[in-house]
Amino acid sequence: DAGVIQSPRHEVTEMGQEVTLRCKPISGHDYLFWYRQTMMRGLELLIYFNNNVPIDDSGMPEDRFSAKMPNASFSTLKIQPSEPRDSAVYFCASSLRYRVNEQFFGPGTRLTVL
Amino acid sequence: AQTVTQSQPEMSVQEAETVTLSCTYDTSESDYYLFWYKQPPSRQMILVIRQEAYKQQNATENRFSVNFQKAAKSFSLKISDSQLGDAAMYFCAYRSASRNAGNMLTFGGGTRLMVKP
Repeated sequence: DAGVIQSPRHEVTEMGQEVTLRCKPISGHDYLFWYRQTMMRGLELLIYFNNNVPIDDSGMPEDRFSAKMPNASFSTLKIQPSEPRDSAVYFCASSLRYRVNEQFFGPGTRLTVL
Repeated sequence: AQTVTQSQPEMSVQEAETVTLSCTYDTSESDYYLFWYKQPPSRQMILVIRQEAYKQQNATENRFSVNFQKAAKSFSLKISDSQLGDAAMYFCAYRSASRNAGNMLTFGGGTRLMVKP
């Protein structure tokens, strides 16, 4: 299995631009998570899905952030408009339900907003 | 809400020596899971070890072991025979066993481990 796939690995954009981060979870996993990692706030859960349905989006910082999961093999995290304080590493992770198995993390996307 | 605290921002250890990373958590639940994740410079989050709260026996994975003290809500990670490749950020994480909680992980702030040759 290729593991969780994220793209792009690096993204540099200018303030005000729209940014879309992509994630392909491990096949068969029914949970998908989006995290943000910064020096100041550490690892924060933004939103998670179960069977493509958003379950908890309380971690989404504001309306500029949105996430979708149109099918079991694809999710996007969109920031519009982007701001410099959105600069962070964004991780996607997937897991199986009701298992002690860990969340499998993708390699992350490093976002820099100038 | 659960919280996870790692009180050591940085630790260093001599190669081949043993080091212990601390983690405490706060929860009102009795059934949960605890994890240690490693994040090397590549940024990949890698599971190191996990512990089910209902198990009294401490988990062990090769050179990695934990000291799980449920009453004290403490979950420390011991790395024996430290190797240069162990240098990384280490995150402690908590997950409720409640079905209503989903599979959400709550992470600590991390401990940066440096290994000296």
